[in-house]
Amino acid sequence: AQRVTQPEKLLSVFKGAPVELKCNYSYSGSPELFWYVQYSRQRLQLLLRHISRESIKGFTADLNKGETSFHLKKPFAQEEDSAMYYCALRNSGNTPLVFGKGTRLSVIA
Amino acid sequence: GAVVSQHPSRVICKSGTSVKIECRSLDFQATTMFWYRQFPKQSLMLMATSNEGSKATYEQGVEKDKFLINHASLTLSTLTVTSAHPEDSSFYICSAPGQGGFNEQFFGPGTRLTVL
Repeated sequence: AQRVTQPEKLLSVFKGAPVELKCNYSYSGSPELFWYVQYSRQRLQLLLRHISRESIKGFTADLNKGETSFHLKKPFAQEEDSAMYYCALRNSGNTPLVFGKGTRLSVIA
Repeated sequence: GAVVSQHPSRVICKSGTSVKIECRSLDFQATTMFWYRQFPKQSLMLMATSNEGSKATYEQGVEKDKFLINHASLTLSTLTVTSAHPEDSSFYICSAPGQGGFNEQFFGPGTRLTVL
């Protein structure tokens, strides 16, 4: 069965400190992995996808198939990074996303 | 990027009434849309896949007679919660895959349903 696990409900870090939001998944094939972010009072929006191997807003995420992980990292947290972060996977193209429970990141000034 | 809208954003109704929630893709066509449900401080759970021109596909445990889905056009899907009860109170979110090779999913802002 497809499953996404985000072990931390809440992560608090100081401004300028490194951030790592953990995500592990279980899937029998080769899924597409994503990170979505939801800022206060805003809709869910795509932050990163593993296919692109890009850095968005200073965040990066590397897919580790051996460890079935897709952790989200940022070397220096900013206050504006405070939000809810969801890791998600899908089979392909038009299939729905399976979400983790989310991690609330709080960056303290 | 593509935009998905939902209406209403918030609705309060009495127990036993039916509530219709609309999901629209504003600047692109969507033959498929997804309906999710989110309880407070919990993740998004897929309820059903809405398919234009055919019946919706419901996830296990979701009552299709209670959550009626109609994909009326290439830009509109509706979710009707029939005979709503307090336990149906939740945040309902729709999404639609955009066009292009990647099929990025775009999310609506969600609808907060409160059943008294």
